[in-house]
Amino acid sequence: SAVISQKPSRDICQRGTSLTIQCQVDSQVTMMFWYRQQPGQSLTLIATANQGSEATYESGFVIDKFPISRPNLTFSTLTVSNMSPEDSSIYLCSVWGRGNQETQYFGPGTRLLVL
Amino acid sequence: QKEVEQNSGPLSVPEGAIASLNCTYSDRVSQSFFWYRQYSGKSPELIMSIYSNGDKEDGRFTAQLNKASQYVSLLIRDSQPSDSATYLCAVNAPGYSTLTFGKGTMLLVSP
Repeated sequence: SAVISQKPSRDICQRGTSLTIQCQVDSQVTMMFWYRQQPGQSLTLIATANQGSEATYESGFVIDKFPISRPNLTFSTLTVSNMSPEDSSIYLCSVWGRGNQETQYFGPGTRLLVL
Repeated sequence: QKEVEQNSGPLSVPEGAIASLNCTYSDRVSQSFFWYRQYSGKSPELIMSIYSNGDKEDGRFTAQLNKASQYVSLLIRDSQPSDSATYLCAVNAPGYSTLTFGKGTMLLVSP
């Protein structure tokens, strides 16, 4: 499996501000994924972050709103820009892990509340 | 477009009963199937994977796969209140870089 940490674990922000979420993995990985989970909803993929190239965004998500950095093979950031209350969600970082079960593993998440 | 369908629930069972969670998927070439458990306010954690038709048992959990029917299920025997969570079904198909997740089924186990 992969050990994934995220910072911050939670935050309360004012509308119109921006928040940068960090994701650190304990091993080098090619792709890192950012998900959003709104209250009572399932996971929605925001984008895939590849080291050395632009992130690939899913339909409905744009770089201006969710800029992503991927400076190396163990780290990525997601910024939620110009926040509104609708951005209140859990933001999750995920990577593929190997070993006995090759599947996606998730970080602990960042709980964001926008007032 | 790949789809993974789950009944949103809640599925309510008494403590000690068997909980049966179901999932169907649309992409016939899907090869890997996973069940994640997500407690409220926490991130999803993997509890079972299955790759071949039939049953796979791990403790109180049994995953069942029927590729012909495009159907995956998770049985939880001797359900405990601590099993109360949302269970996400996820599917992986060749050519896709991420899993496709269902919306999850909420399970409530009453003491």
